Amino acid sequence: NAGVTQTPKFQVLKTGQSMTLQCAQDMNHNSMYWYRQDPGMGLRLIYYSASEGTTDKGEVPNGYNVSRLNKREFSLRLESAAPSQTSVYFCASDSHFSYEQYFGPGTRLTVT
Amino acid sequence: GQQVMQIPQYQHVQEGEDFTTYCNSSTTLSNIQWYKQRPGGHPVFLIQLVKSGEVKKQKRLTFQFGEAKKNSSLHITATQTTDVGTYFCAGPWGNTPLVFGKGTRLSVIA
Repeated sequence: NAGVTQTPKFQVLKTGQSMTLQCAQDMNHNSMYWYRQDPGMGLRLIYYSASEGTTDKGEVPNGYNVSRLNKREFSLRLESAAPSQTSVYFCASDSHFSYEQYFGPGTRLTVT
Repeated sequence: GQQVMQIPQYQHVQEGEDFTTYCNSSTTLSNIQWYKQRPGGHPVFLIQLVKSGEVKKQKRLTFQFGEAKKNSSLHITATQTTDVGTYFCAGPWGNTPLVFGKGTRLSVIA
C-alpha cells in the first residue's frame, strides 16, 4: 500500500496563476483533509471531507476550493495564487472522522 | 486566537537528558492526539488519549491526559538523536475535526 500520495512534490507559481494539488489514498478511508504548514504556525486545516460527497471549510479556507472526486481522491485548487499561499501543503486521511490521521509527503508551493 | 497552546516552542537537550512538552486547551477536549514530524518530513501519528487522567507509554515516551481533559503532556526519557523533530498535539475544536498546536521543536545534541 502506498498510503497517502500527493502530486506534485514541488511547485513554483506566479501571482495570479492557478493550479490543483492532487491527493489520493489507498487505505479505503472515509475522511480526507487538506492542511497548510507555515513556519512557526503548526498545521492549519483548510478544508476537509468527512465522507465521500461532502466537503466543509476548515480554519483557513479563503482562496481555496476542493473536490472530493471519489472515495480515494481529494483535490485542492488555488484559483488565483497569491504570495501568502506560499506554504507546504499536506493531505491526510483517516478511517473514521477525527481518528488518527495518515499524512502524505507534502507539496512545497512557492508563489512569486 | 490559538485554541491549543503548546510549550515550549523549542527545546535543546543533551543526548540522554529528559524532555517534556506541554499542551493546554481553554476548553475540555474529547480526546487529544500527538504527532511527530521529522525535519523535512510529514507528521506521523503517535497516540490518542481519550480518558480523563489517562497515561500511556511507548518505550521511552510517556503521554498523559489531564484530569480535566484540558491539558496533556509528552515526556521522553533519556533522549536519543532519533527523537529529533517537532512534536504536535492536536484536538477537536468546535466544528473543526483537529486543531493542531504550534509544536515543540526538539533538538538533541550528541
